[in-house]
Amino acid sequence: SAVISQKPSRDICQRGTSLTIQCQVDSQVTMMFWYRQQPGQSLTLIATANQGSEATYESGFVIDKFPISRPNLTFSTLTVSNMSPEDSSIYLCSVVETGGGTEAFFGQGTRLTVV
Amino acid sequence: EDQVTQSPEALRLQEGESSSLNCSYTVSGLRGLFWYRQDPGKGPEFLFTLYSAGEEKEKERLKATLTKKESFLHITAPKPEDSATYLCAVFISNDYKLSFGAGTTVTVRA
Repeated sequence: SAVISQKPSRDICQRGTSLTIQCQVDSQVTMMFWYRQQPGQSLTLIATANQGSEATYESGFVIDKFPISRPNLTFSTLTVSNMSPEDSSIYLCSVVETGGGTEAFFGQGTRLTVV
Repeated sequence: EDQVTQSPEALRLQEGESSSLNCSYTVSGLRGLFWYRQDPGKGPEFLFTLYSAGEEKEKERLKATLTKKESFLHITAPKPEDSATYLCAVFISNDYKLSFGAGTTVTVRA
């Protein structure tokens, strides 16, 4: 199974600033996603990180606010731009593997607090 | 519209008291139903993928089953270390996007 490393694990940021979260996978994966988990809530998909092309965003999420890079099959970044307290959440990177069966794995998450 | 609904929201068990969690789904053409365990401050830990009605999978004290409309996660003789939030999710499209339920928080008392 894929091992996913996220950095940073947590951060406290000032409103109006930006934070870039890194996701490193120990193997090449085609399908990589970014999710958000707001306090006390379940996970919501932000976007699909496409290698070599622009990310595909879900309804309610836009590229200007959450720019995503995917330079290769093992790495992606999510930036949370012009942050406000409402952006305080856990941000999670996920990959899907389909060899044999289908399994979806998550990183440990980045806990972001905006003050 | 809700595609994944979990119940109950919270479950408090005595150690050794077996119980079940429910996940009902409304997606057509199910391509995979997932169960995860999530501890506070951590990312979801993959437990099972179920694909078709009648399928069952087990891992230690956990057993997941699937029907055409719902899945159950049975916890047999739970221990305090089984305390966590259990999340259910389904693929909502052909491109492997997951839709999650709200989760069931299980607390097991010694």
